[in-house]
Amino acid sequence: GAGVSQTPSNKVTEKGKYVELRCDPISGHTALYWYRQSLGQGPEFLIYFQGTGAADDSGLPNDRFFAVRPEGSVSTLKIQRTERGDSAVYLCASSSLPTDTQYFGPGTRLTVL
Amino acid sequence: KQEVTQIPAALSVPEGENLVLNCSFTDSAIYNLQWFRQDPGKGLTSLLLIQSSQREQTSGRLNASLDKSSGRSTLYIAASQPGDSATYLCAVRPINTGNQFYFGTGTSLTVIP
Repeated sequence: GAGVSQTPSNKVTEKGKYVELRCDPISGHTALYWYRQSLGQGPEFLIYFQGTGAADDSGLPNDRFFAVRPEGSVSTLKIQRTERGDSAVYLCASSSLPTDTQYFGPGTRLTVL
Repeated sequence: KQEVTQIPAALSVPEGENLVLNCSFTDSAIYNLQWFRQDPGKGLTSLLLIQSSQREQTSGRLNASLDKSSGRSTLYIAASQPGDSATYLCAVRPINTGNQFYFGTGTSLTVIP
């Protein structure tokens, strides 16, 4: 595709529910990143994929958060037992190489009521 | 842990002025530094990427410099326009902490017509 896409653009859920957020990176980009951005803050790193494997998941806040990229392209961020503190914009980015320019998607705004 | 600071947090200038945005980081061992712009409710758009071996990068009216030894980068915007109004974020990729990118909290720029 022309750029990184993320779905849904908005997600409202209730506390305790499970959510999945999807990211479609730029075709051919091997590196994929997930970030979380709270209001007035810069993006906070969550997880990095190189190909199909999670090369660095040190930013995931706890074991309720999990991400997969089974075929080395589309990635899904999964959040179990959502909490109000999980409310934020979740951003996905991809790059052709880890040291190259990152291209961001428009984000998914998650609201946990 | 790498700390990234951006000063000022907000800036308002009349149209046509040249301006400088500042970014400082605590650990000089970085692969690269990237400047982004973020419009309200949108994802991040990459503006300039400076590799650690470079001193500056230019794109149109934008010029970014990097002084790795002092932990500083500046983004210079010439002849500012109302369309430049956005939040500008810098991010560094440290060498010693895997593949994490660390972002500043951004500078919110308003260019007054």
